[in-house]
Amino acid sequence: DTGVSQNPRHKITKRGQNVTFRCDPISEHNRLYWYRQTLGQGPEFLTYFQNEAQLEKSRLLSDRFSAERPKGSFSTLEIQRTEQGDSAMYLCASSLSGINQPQHFGDGTRLSIL
Amino acid sequence: EDQVTQSPEALRLQEGESSSLNCSYTVSGLRGLFWYRQDPGKGPEFLFTLYSAGEEKEKERLKATLTKKESFLHITAPKPEDSATYLCAVQGLTGANSKLTFGKGITLSVRP
Repeated sequence: DTGVSQNPRHKITKRGQNVTFRCDPISEHNRLYWYRQTLGQGPEFLTYFQNEAQLEKSRLLSDRFSAERPKGSFSTLEIQRTEQGDSAMYLCASSLSGINQPQHFGDGTRLSIL
Repeated sequence: EDQVTQSPEALRLQEGESSSLNCSYTVSGLRGLFWYRQDPGKGPEFLFTLYSAGEEKEKERLKATLTKKESFLHITAPKPEDSATYLCAVQGLTGANSKLTFGKGITLSVRP
């Protein structure tokens, strides 16, 4: 069990640029989640996949955000035309399917918008 | 909408001084309540899942308990390495049945 892996760990970009983050879940986990965390706050749910199907998206996920999970393995989260308010830690988690399976988190990608 | 409130926001303890962290929640049907530990610059680390009122779980110096409205994380004789932010989250029955709703966390500092 190598844990959830996220890349890059840090991303600094200028406002208006596009960015993409990658998440590699724990290998046997078929559920994958994206959360966003700002300083002093708990993580906020963005979206979730069961295998390759994206089953729910939060109202927080504007049309500038898109997530994919091709073949039900790794996932990418893309933010287009970044804004200052997008600065945050983007966390990925994975779990087995089934009731009350705990979600295991990666160490996140910290995004800073200049 | 599911809501989680944690208190206090911050807690400073002397090594060995036991205390409790509170998590109050409102949810339209509880699937589970989760406790996580988060160190600076890291992702949350899973500690416990509680499913029903009256349930208790223990791990080393930590014990989590659950009632119908709140959960407590009791820390017995804490050590400096227990310093971290402790997050509480609920998983409700509505909406995405896997979504976690988190509180803001409690920052615990344990002085040697």
